[in-house]
Order: sequence, then C-alpha cells, then structure tokens
Amino acid sequence: AQTVTQSQPEMSVQEAETVTLSCTYDTSENNYYLFWYKQPPSRQMILVIRQEAYKQQNATENRFSVNFQKAAKSFSLKISDSQLGDTAMYFCAFTPAYNNDMRFGAGTRLTVKP
Amino acid sequence: KAGVTQTPRYLIKTRGQQVTLSCSPISGHRSVSWYQQTPGQGLQFLFEYFSETQRNKGNFPGRFSGRQFSNSRSEMNVSTLELGDSALYLCASSLGGISDQPQHFGDGTRLSIL
Repeated sequence: AQTVTQSQPEMSVQEAETVTLSCTYDTSENNYYLFWYKQPPSRQMILVIRQEAYKQQNATENRFSVNFQKAAKSFSLKISDSQLGDTAMYFCAFTPAYNNDMRFGAGTRLTVKP
Repeated sequence: KAGVTQTPRYLIKTRGQQVTLSCSPISGHRSVSWYQQTPGQGLQFLFEYFSETQRNKGNFPGRFSGRQFSNSRSEMNVSTLELGDSALYLCASSLGGISDQPQHFGDGTRLSIL
C-alpha cells in the first residue's frame, strides 16, 4: 500500500524568507506522480507543483521548487521569498501512474508572518 | 472559464438519512474525482468517474456511491448517514485522469451530521 507522510504538522516563516516542507512516501511502484497542493482558509485545493517519477530533474514553478530524491522516497517543497498569501495547509500527494487512486499526507499548516 | 462548482456548500442532516452532493466540472473535463476530508483521517480518495464509468474506487463502504452523467456532471450519494460521515467533500475535475493532468478542485460541500 502506498502511504504519504508529512512529519511537520505546523511551520512558520517570516515574510521574504525561505521555508522547506518535508514529505516522504512509501511505494513499490517505479512509475508514479507526486504533487504538492495548497489549501488556503477559503478551502479550495490548488495545485502548486507536480513531479513525474521518471524525470530526474526537479520541478520548479516560480518561487516553488521541489527536491525529489527517488531512492530515498523523499519529495520536499521549497518556497522562496515567502509571501503572506502563502499561508495555507500544504498537502503532499502520490498517485501511481497506472491508476488514479491519489493518496495524501496529513498536511503541514504553514503560517507566513509579516 | 467557470471553475468546478459544488452544490450545496453546506448541508445538515441527521443520522440514518441519505444525501446527494453535486459537482459540475470545468467545461471539457471528463474526469471527476471525489474526496472526503476530515480532521482525523485527512484527505481520502472516494472514487473517480470518467466518461460515465467509475474508473477507480477508494476504500469506503458501499453506502458511498456516485455516478456521472453524459455532460460529465457527477453526483455523490451517501445512504444511512452516520456521525462519522461529517466532513468536507471535495470534487475535482481534470481533462483525462488524475495523474497526467492537473486536477482542479471545487470549494467543497460541508456536510454535518446531527
């Protein structure tokens, strides 16, 4: 069974600084996808970044980047130049490439302080 | 382009009743997935529909069911409601599947069971 673990229930960061959210996963699959989703208080889930397991290059989306370590089954999210609008719950998610059964971590509540 | 629309936004039911939730995907999206979000269990995958067929199913009892119509709109039904069914139910749509297309989430339906 696939599991996703986010070991940091809560984190905080000062505005304009950098923060890294951790995520590890467990799977026997070789081909899969990993995601980071953001859920602000408005509760709508928003895709932040996506990584295909077969790609060695780490995905980047503007201020958001990942450190994907396939052998270690680690998928951390780095947020640079943190902004107040980044305050939200962040969920790491996994899905095998052969089906659409998406598994989420428990989430990390990130607070950006002015 | 309109986003994913879920109705109603809030719902209060009593134990033993049944409920139907509705999800209208983004125009052109053929895949609709449902998730249950609770403080205790986090985000859990319920099922996914594609072209009116259930393509994937999570680990939920048979009281949870769904369907998809020819216009891709989807409904989720929960029968014989239990207190533990109180949750935020999220719907997401994508062009094809979860893994190869980004999912777009609705604002959710908050279901409270008294």
